[in-house]
Amino acid sequence: QQPVQSPQAVILREGEDAVINCSSSKALYSVHWYRQKHGEAPVFLMILLKGGEQKGHEKISASFNEKKQQSSLYLTASQLSYSGTYFCGTVNTNAGKSTFGDGTTLTVKP
Amino acid sequence: NAGVTQTPKFRVLKTGQSMTLLCAQDMNHEYMYWYRQDPGMGLRLIHYSVGEGTTAKGEVPDGYNVSRLKKQNFLLGLESAAPSQTSVYFCASKQQGPTPSNYGYTFGSGTRLTVV
Repeated sequence: QQPVQSPQAVILREGEDAVINCSSSKALYSVHWYRQKHGEAPVFLMILLKGGEQKGHEKISASFNEKKQQSSLYLTASQLSYSGTYFCGTVNTNAGKSTFGDGTTLTVKP
Repeated sequence: NAGVTQTPKFRVLKTGQSMTLLCAQDMNHEYMYWYRQDPGMGLRLIHYSVGEGTTAKGEVPDGYNVSRLKKQNFLLGLESAAPSQTSVYFCASKQQGPTPSNYGYTFGSGTRLTVV
């Protein structure tokens, strides 16, 4: 079952914050987050395992709520380089395959 | 450090033609995957492999075949291309460990395929 991402798109000014959500209808083992620039391959940002762990990568962090079967990606003090499409990939069991959401397009303007 | 290399980068096929997309990784990863990405959409799993000599179907396997004769290579074949197979194809690999799901994917740069 494909996870649902929200919002589909968001436009920010430099320095503003954003939150991207990823929800699954099935129990989750882990959640991956990726960023894809136009015309390029997705790049791995971070992985969160069940247990409510929060991780960070520069000014980008994420949380994972196992009970709610959802993860959120937090982008603080956004930079122009943060523009791109963000995908979450959900894994339901250990050694399972990732199923990806349709992505959230983030545009950061000067 | 090459990572995951896909060839070719672009290809135009006529309906009914066949072709093979090659994915090579130099990270000694056990797991390899083929995804397709249509405009404005996410990644859909076509086929995957959990080790040399093994393959399995993903979400959208119809019209595609794969082979993993060597650990570092994963081939995707289209026997009779159709316009519905126009897409960008991404190969990915993942490290194996005690808990394989703890690792993220490394993607190749993609193959843009157009079937006319």
